[in-house]
Amino acid sequence: QSALTQPRSVSGSPGQSVTISCTGTSSDVGGYNYVSWYQHHPGKAPKVLIYDVNKWPSGVPDRFSGSKSGNTASLTISGLQAEDEAEYYCCSFAGTYTWVFGGGTKLTVL
Amino acid sequence: EVLLVQSGAEVKKPGESLKISCEGSGYTFTSFWIGWVRQMPGKGLEWMGIIYPGDSDTRYSPSFQGQVTISADKSINTAYLRWSNLKASDTAIYYCARRVGGSWSIDYWGQGTLVTVSS
Repeated sequence: QSALTQPRSVSGSPGQSVTISCTGTSSDVGGYNYVSWYQHHPGKAPKVLIYDVNKWPSGVPDRFSGSKSGNTASLTISGLQAEDEAEYYCCSFAGTYTWVFGGGTKLTVL
Repeated sequence: EVLLVQSGAEVKKPGESLKISCEGSGYTFTSFWIGWVRQMPGKGLEWMGIIYPGDSDTRYSPSFQGQVTISADKSINTAYLRWSNLKASDTAIYYCARRVGGSWSIDYWGQGTLVTVSS
């Protein structure tokens, strides 16, 4: 069981928006503003979409956005595209050079 | 472009040793912490430890302390993960990942190295 809880799967049609949640505790998600989100296609390097809860790395479209409320962080993908179909992971700093991860969410674009 | 490129898949026998690598490019390698993450078959991601290549300051997750050794060679912009006595339970995909400068978030990742330990 992963330290952070994500839904196993979400789905949406092209053009729609979907939100993926990531629930932790006050020792990780709730305690720090250091949540990251990644898109992962099997066999490739996970790609960072969001870091520090809601910051974009260069080159990531603003269709991807992050937020946090209490112990739950969220990734929202708007204007769904077929190429968004992938596994999505969250990660949070948990203090003292330790990080924890979500179990991953499979996004299906219908 | 920031890239972390990992070494290729390995097949080893129990008891053997192994060192896998992660080469950084597109940024100042010595200025960013590099961590290692394990993903066992069908399981989630687990944080193993992290190293600062600038001075080799290394921190391990308690679960992995004494089980693996993390090192770096800053002359060739490469971090390593080493086992001295592999077990079947070490079979997993191992990723390297970079800590964001000035933050405690993790940003760029390597593509992963599959390690298979089987007799």
